[in-house]
Amino acid sequence: GAVVSQHPSWVICKSGTSVKIECRSLDFQATTMFWYRQFPKQSLMLMATSNEGSKATYEQGVEKDKFLINHASLTLSTLTVTSAHPEDSSFYICSASRRGLYEQYFGPGTRLTVT
Amino acid sequence: GESVGLHLPTLSVQEGDNSIINCAYSNSASDYFIWYKQESGKGPQFIIDIRSNMDKRQGQRVTVLLNKTVKHLSLQIAATQPGDSAVYFCALKGQAGGFKTIFGAGTRLFVKA
Repeated sequence: GAVVSQHPSWVICKSGTSVKIECRSLDFQATTMFWYRQFPKQSLMLMATSNEGSKATYEQGVEKDKFLINHASLTLSTLTVTSAHPEDSSFYICSASRRGLYEQYFGPGTRLTVT
Repeated sequence: GESVGLHLPTLSVQEGDNSIINCAYSNSASDYFIWYKQESGKGPQFIIDIRSNMDKRQGQRVTVLLNKTVKHLSLQIAATQPGDSAVYFCALKGQAGGFKTIFGAGTRLFVKA
């Protein structure tokens, strides 16, 4: 149990376009979802935390108008990278947790390349 | 604020030997600690966790030790296998961090056959 999926697993887009990444909890209700970004040979950096039905809370330095997060249901959160630039190329990973529990379940990640 | 650091960026061990990966943290309010394994191009995979009211927890071939006095966490892997080659992250959660999971820098483990 506790499986999290992401779609797509990789995407290439042109500079200036927007791309949406989906994160789904397949067998549990995720009251909280987290979005991380990971650059090569670096650790995971938390971008934002979203609770179902609420606005996301962004970490310092993360532009909320550039990285749009929607958590409209208990099984789906989306991250939209708007007006993508080459420096947004990264590995984006989501995770999900159940209400009141510490355990977080991670998705397989989405590799974004902006050309 | 909370921060997590790792003592060594890379660790190379012989197959069959035991591996020890260390991690230091700064905030004594952290109360939940996790070790993750990440293989290339994949998301983090949960290995083992420990709460602050414990100092040792064992799993299959893995042991986590927590020393709250010196704010130190370690992961021990017994009889290391080639499939253990990956990057290992310690992470922590606690009320001081808003229950967010904060990741350390990561240690790359190389297992030599």
